[in-house]
Amino acid sequence: DTEVTQTPKHLVMGMTNKKSLKCEQHMGHRAMYWYKQKAKKPPELMFVYSYEKLSINESVPSRFSPECPNSSLLNLHLHALQPEDSALYLCASSFRQGPNEKLFFGSGTQLSVL
Amino acid sequence: QKEVEQDPGPLSVPEGAIVSLNCTYSNSAFQYFMWYRQYSRKGPELLMYTYSSGNKEDGRFTAQVDKSSKYISLFIRDSQPSDSATYLCAMTSFLIQGAQKLVFGQGTRLTINP
Repeated sequence: DTEVTQTPKHLVMGMTNKKSLKCEQHMGHRAMYWYKQKAKKPPELMFVYSYEKLSINESVPSRFSPECPNSSLLNLHLHALQPEDSALYLCASSFRQGPNEKLFFGSGTQLSVL
Repeated sequence: QKEVEQDPGPLSVPEGAIVSLNCTYSNSAFQYFMWYRQYSRKGPELLMYTYSSGNKEDGRFTAQVDKSSKYISLFIRDSQPSDSATYLCAMTSFLIQGAQKLVFGQGTRLTINP
């Protein structure tokens, strides 16, 4: 099973709303990631949690707030977003296999900010 | 100059053709090389993973890495309409506290015509 589950699949929110994106994996992966992907562009890294600690923050605006409650769950809290934040938000996780480390993505949350 | 260059296409070929997708990179520290397939409005799906120069085959897919030329390729044999998707190359050079940071190419949009 190489499944990363994201909810909701679609989200429409106003600029004054607060919402959360959720991500779950049960593969025993110890690194979890948030990526943002605009149309016809590659994914851009936002945050990385490793062993439930924030290890990478790619200078993301504070209106995006990540949280890792446990090794299986990853949340992204959204507040006061702008229309340009509309994008596909992807969660991913990875594990180690010797020198290898493979990244597995969820299906994403398509976010529209009005 | 981008660290990873990938022709965005679009690339359109007839069913049954051999498809060749390519990426070049400039950072000689990259050690791990991946190909992802992404259908519209879905998350990227890991197709191939390799960390050494040479060829790796999986069914109709062959990944090729030439570290001396800083060039990677993905070949698809007997292409099918279901192979129509965007193909992203990705590579990484280091791990931070157990997590990796991927660098993606721009993605090549491929259409297989029946």
